[in-house]
Amino acid sequence: KQEVTQIPAALSVPEGENLVLNCSFTDSAIYNLQWFRQDPGKGLTSLLLIQSSQREQTSGRLNASLDKSSGRSTLYIAASQPGDSATYLCAAGSYNQGGKLIFGQGTELSVKP
Amino acid sequence: DVKVTQSSRYLVKRTGEKVFLECVQDMDHENMFWYRQDPGLGLRLIYFSYDVKMKEKGDIPEGYSVSREKKERFSLILESASTNQTSMYLCASSDAYEQYFGPGTRLTVT
Repeated sequence: KQEVTQIPAALSVPEGENLVLNCSFTDSAIYNLQWFRQDPGKGLTSLLLIQSSQREQTSGRLNASLDKSSGRSTLYIAASQPGDSATYLCAAGSYNQGGKLIFGQGTELSVKP
Repeated sequence: DVKVTQSSRYLVKRTGEKVFLECVQDMDHENMFWYRQDPGLGLRLIYFSYDVKMKEKGDIPEGYSVSREKKERFSLILESASTNQTSMYLCASSDAYEQYFGPGTRLTVT
């Protein structure tokens, strides 16, 4: 059964820092890995999607990488800003789970001015 | 832009009431999903649908049912609302790869 873990659960950094959020998954038979952002009380916003044949995706200050062999994905945020404060979730689309997304618990990021 | 809308942002219902949560997507996606999100438990899949009139149970279907009469609309039904169904409910739709979420409905059952 696919399990997705995100460490740390919470992170606080000063504005301007580059940071990395980690996501690990137990079953490497995934067809994609998706990163989301969630603001308090709101829905999830898709940030980046990495398909299984890809190694990374970039959007602006965000870069996500995928290493299926080690069961890891990272989300790199460059030059963090207070507006980046939110909860970041990763989710693995697993062939062995009937195509459903399996979510991690999220990392709550706080960027201090 | 993909648009997934949910009928209400906030809803307050009484125990025992029948509750309908509506979700509509405008991208002609085959797949639609209902999740609930609770502190410390993360997102949990309630039901999903891969086609019109098709439905599949997720991880926590007890106390819920769904309806998908049209491709763009997926409804979640609480047959007899209970206080333990107080939660944030999130709808999503997807093409083959990427899921898109609605804004969520915060349901309180008193």
